[in-house]
Amino acid sequence: GQSLEQPSEVTAVEGAIVQINCTYQTSGFYGLSWYQQHDGGAPTFLSYNALDGLEETGRFSSFLSRSDSYGYLLLQELQMKDSASYFCAVRAPSGGYQKVTFGIGTKLQVIP
Amino acid sequence: DAGVTQSPTHLIKTRGQQVTLRCSPKSGHDTVSWYQQALGQGPQFIFQYYEEEERQRGNFPDRFSGHQFPNYSSELNVNALLLGDSALYLCASSWDQETQYFGPGTRLLVL
Repeated sequence: GQSLEQPSEVTAVEGAIVQINCTYQTSGFYGLSWYQQHDGGAPTFLSYNALDGLEETGRFSSFLSRSDSYGYLLLQELQMKDSASYFCAVRAPSGGYQKVTFGIGTKLQVIP
Repeated sequence: DAGVTQSPTHLIKTRGQQVTLRCSPKSGHDTVSWYQQALGQGPQFIFQYYEEEERQRGNFPDRFSGHQFPNYSSELNVNALLLGDSALYLCASSWDQETQYFGPGTRLLVL
């Protein structure tokens, strides 16, 4: 099976940088995704890392280290609208196909 | 290009009833996955449909069943509803097993 760990809550100041970590345990691994979910909304895809290294998309970057079973999401120049829950999700083999397993989510609060 | 759509947006049922939720995938997507998200938790995988067949299933009882139609839209059926089935039900579509995109969800309340 798969299991993921990420902090339950993080608080950061507007304009600052915050890093949300995710460690995972899987039998097999294809990649790590990050999703953002505002209260009452649906998860929105942010990024996907299949290979080691940093992927940058605007103010958001995602990093993966396959050897450490670890990844993180980096949010720069934080804005109040970034207050949301952030989920890491691992894509791994399952019964000849791929299955996506989500972490419990990290609730990010951005304060003025 | 319409994204993933789901209906209804909200639903209230009583214990023992049955419910059907609907999902239309994003244009060009052929795979639909269903998730249950309880308050304060991450989405939990229910099952995935591809080419009108259930391709894989999570740890959910047989009360949860589904269907995929030739136009790739999908239904989730839950029989004999329990209070614990109250949750946000999310549909996610993808092209085969690539990145999943979520619909707005159906919020189900079982009384």
